Formats: sequence, C-alpha cells, structure tokens
Amino acid sequence: AQTVTQSQPEMSVQEAETVTLSCTYDTSESNYYLFWYKQPPSRQMILVIRQEAYKQQNATENRFSVNFQKAAKSFSLKISDSQLGDTAMYFCAFMKHAGGGADGLTFGKGTHLIIQP
Amino acid sequence: DTAVSQTPKYLVTQMGNDKSIKCEQNLGHDTMYWYKQDSKKFLKIMFSYNNKELIINETVPNRFSPKSPDKAHLNLHINSLELGDSAVYFCASRAGVSNTGELFFGEGSRLTVL
Repeated sequence: AQTVTQSQPEMSVQEAETVTLSCTYDTSESNYYLFWYKQPPSRQMILVIRQEAYKQQNATENRFSVNFQKAAKSFSLKISDSQLGDTAMYFCAFMKHAGGGADGLTFGKGTHLIIQP
Repeated sequence: DTAVSQTPKYLVTQMGNDKSIKCEQNLGHDTMYWYKQDSKKFLKIMFSYNNKELIINETVPNRFSPKSPDKAHLNLHINSLELGDSAVYFCASRAGVSNTGELFFGEGSRLTVL
C-alpha cells in the first residue's frame, strides 16, 4: 500500500513571496503518477500539476513547479509570486500507473496555505 | 456544462434515515469513484467502478452501497445514517486506457447527520 505524507499542516506567507510545500511518499511501485491538487474554500478539487514518475524533468505550470526526487521519494511544490487566490488546502496525491485499471488517488493530509496581503 | 456533477450539494438529515447522492459525468470516462472527506479534510477512497463493475471497495460499512446503472453514473446510497457519516462526499471520474491519471472531481456533497 502507498502512503503520502505532508508534514506541514499550515503555512502562511506574504503575497508575492515564494513558498514550497513538502510531500514525501512511500511505494514499492516503479511506475506511477504524482499530483498536487488545490482545494479553495469553494471546496472544488482543482488539479495544479502532475508528474509522471518515469520523467526525470520536473513539471512546471506557470507559477507552479515541482521538485521531484524519485530516489528520495519526495515531491515538493513551489509556488512563485504567490497571489491571494492561492489561499487553499493543497493535497499531494499518488496513483499507480495501472494502464486501464481503476486505481484511485492516495492523498496526503493536506497543507493549508494562507497568502497574506 | 459541468463535467462531473453531484446532487444534492448539501444534505441535512436525522440519524437513522436513508439518503442517496447522485453523480453523473459527461466526459465519457470509464472509471468513477467515491471519496469521503472528513472534518479534518482528509480524503479517503471509498469505491471505484470501471465500466459499471465494482473494482475497489475499501473498508466501508455495508450501510454504504454504490450503484452504477451505466458508465456515466455512480450513485451512493447510505442506510441508517450515523453521526460519523457527516462529511463531504466527492464523486470523481477518470479516463481508462491511455489516460493521464488525472481525476476530475465533482463539487462535493456535504452531508450533515443530526
């Protein structure tokens, strides 16, 4: 079974600063996906960024980037030039790459990120 | 058009009642899920269905019964509701073969049991 650990229950930074959210995971799988999902107060789950384990290059999406360290089983999210709208719960998640299977996501407990004006 | 839609969004009911939450996806996906988010925001998978067939059934009380009448729908029926069932329930879907792994979530259904 997979486990995902987010060690920062809450973080607070000033607007425009850069912030890094930590995530580690444990798995015996060699092929998998990692995700960061954002859940604002509206409670909608929004995909922020996705990484495939076989790709060494770190994924980036505009102000969001990851630092994927496969050997260390670490997958941190960096948010640059943070904005008030980034205030949300952020969940790190793991999924086995099972082709057409129905494996779901295993989530960490989340980090509540607060962007201060 | 909402990709994954759940009804109702909010549900308040008394202990012992039976209730259902409906989910529909218009993405043509093969796989659908139910997740439970507790008061501490922890998200845990409950069930997954692939082409109407139950694939994952985590340790969930048998008072919870999912039903998938077709590939686009996955409903959740809960019997004899208990206080501990209060949570937000999310439906999600994912494409099958050659998918990107991404799950698409509904807006969640907040269930409050009094």
